Amino acid sequence: QQQVKQSPQSLIVQKGGISIINCAYENTAFDYFPWYQQFPGKGPALLIAIRPDVSEKKEGRFTISFNKSAKQFSLHIMDSQPGDSATYFCAASWNTDKLIFGTGTRLQVFP
Amino acid sequence: GAGVSQSPSNKVTEKGKDVELRCDPISGHTALYWYRQSLGQGLEFLIYFQGNSAPDKSGLPSDRFSAERTGGSVSTLTIQRTQQEDSAVYLCASSEQGAISNEQFFGPGTRLTVL
Repeated sequence: QQQVKQSPQSLIVQKGGISIINCAYENTAFDYFPWYQQFPGKGPALLIAIRPDVSEKKEGRFTISFNKSAKQFSLHIMDSQPGDSATYFCAASWNTDKLIFGTGTRLQVFP
Repeated sequence: GAGVSQSPSNKVTEKGKDVELRCDPISGHTALYWYRQSLGQGLEFLIYFQGNSAPDKSGLPSDRFSAERTGGSVSTLTIQRTQQEDSAVYLCASSEQGAISNEQFFGPGTRLTVL
C-alpha cells in the first residue's frame, strides 16, 4: 500500500514532442505528490508538485494531471527539449516529510 | 545559500571494511533523510531524522547499516563489513519541518564502490 508505481521505465521523444510519465498509488491518505528531476551525477531536484485538492497544475512546459478517483497522476512535458533529458521520479507522502518514490523514468529527447 | 553537501564524493573500499559517509544539511532544516540509489534504479529510503524524535530506521537493509545525527545537524551513515551489493550512490536530503512544500533538497551523493 506504500508503493508508488511509475511507468514507463524509459522514454524516447523527439524534440518538440510531448513526454508523458505516469504514476499510480494505493494509499488514499497520501496528500502530496511531487515530481523530481535528476541529471547524471547530481541529486534529484524538485520540479513541480500537486496536492489532491486540484486536478491540474502547470508551471511553464511542465504540467501535473491528478486523478483522485483513479489514484493516478502524471507529468506532461510539452515541447520537449534535449535539455529535458534526465531521470524523473514521482513521489507521494502523507502528513510527514517522508516521501515514497517511484522507480524512475529515464527520458531522452533527441533533436 | 549553501545546499546539502556530502563527503566524500567517491569512496572505493574493499569488501569487509567499514565506511562512513557524511552529510551536511541546509542550515535550519530539521529533517534529514538518507537514500540509496543503485545503478539505474530508483531511490531506496534508508533512514529519516526529524528534530529530536527517534529516527525512522525502517528502510535500513541490515544491521550492518547505522546512522546518527549529532546536534540536529550533521549526519553520518556507517556501513560495517561492506559487501559488494552495498555498491551504490548514497544520497542525503534535508527539509524544513512544517514547510508547506515538503520539498526535500538533495545533496550530490557519495558513490560507494566495494571491491
